[in-house]
Amino acid sequence: AQTVTQSQPEMSVQEAETVTLSCTYDTSESDYYLFWYKQPPSRQMILVIRQEAYKQQNATENRFSVNFQKAAKSFSLKISDSQLGDAAMYFCAYRSMNRDDKIIFGKGTRLHILP
Amino acid sequence: DVKVTQSSRYLVKRTGEKVFLECVQDMDHENMFWYRQDPGLGLRLIYFSYDVKMKEKGDIPEGYSVSREKKERFSLILESASTNQTSMYLCASRVGGELMNTEAFFGQGTRLTVV
Repeated sequence: AQTVTQSQPEMSVQEAETVTLSCTYDTSESDYYLFWYKQPPSRQMILVIRQEAYKQQNATENRFSVNFQKAAKSFSLKISDSQLGDAAMYFCAYRSMNRDDKIIFGKGTRLHILP
Repeated sequence: DVKVTQSSRYLVKRTGEKVFLECVQDMDHENMFWYRQDPGLGLRLIYFSYDVKMKEKGDIPEGYSVSREKKERFSLILESASTNQTSMYLCASRVGGELMNTEAFFGQGTRLTVV
């Protein structure tokens, strides 16, 4: 069975600085999808960024980028120029390429932004 | 915009009560999910459904059942609520079938307290 591990329960970063959130996963599959979700205090989960495993190029969305290391089964999220609105729980998630498969989440990392 | 609506944001029920948590999505998504979120444990999948009247157990189905009579609605049922079911419940939906890289969209969560 696939698993997703986020080893940092909490992190803090100074406003305008850069922070990297770690995620590792375990799978025997060669093709899959990886996601980072953000859950702010409002509780509404929203997608931050996604990565297809068959793509070598790391995904980027504005200030958010990933470092996808397929061989190491690592999928870290880098937030540049951190803003107060980035404070949230961040969840790493995995989904198989099976047609209607479930999404597996890590335990989350709570990110604090220090003004 | 995709909208996933959970019927209650906060709910307080008594031990032994039968509890219904309702979730409705307006984007004709095939797949729907119920997760439970607890501090330090992340999101754990209770049940998911990939089509009307179809359901599959997730990682923690004990004490829960689900119903999906219509495509847009996915109900989570606590047959006899217990205090260890006090938690945040999140519903999600996503397109099924060939669009496999699509993300899940989440409701705003229901915080259930069983007393």
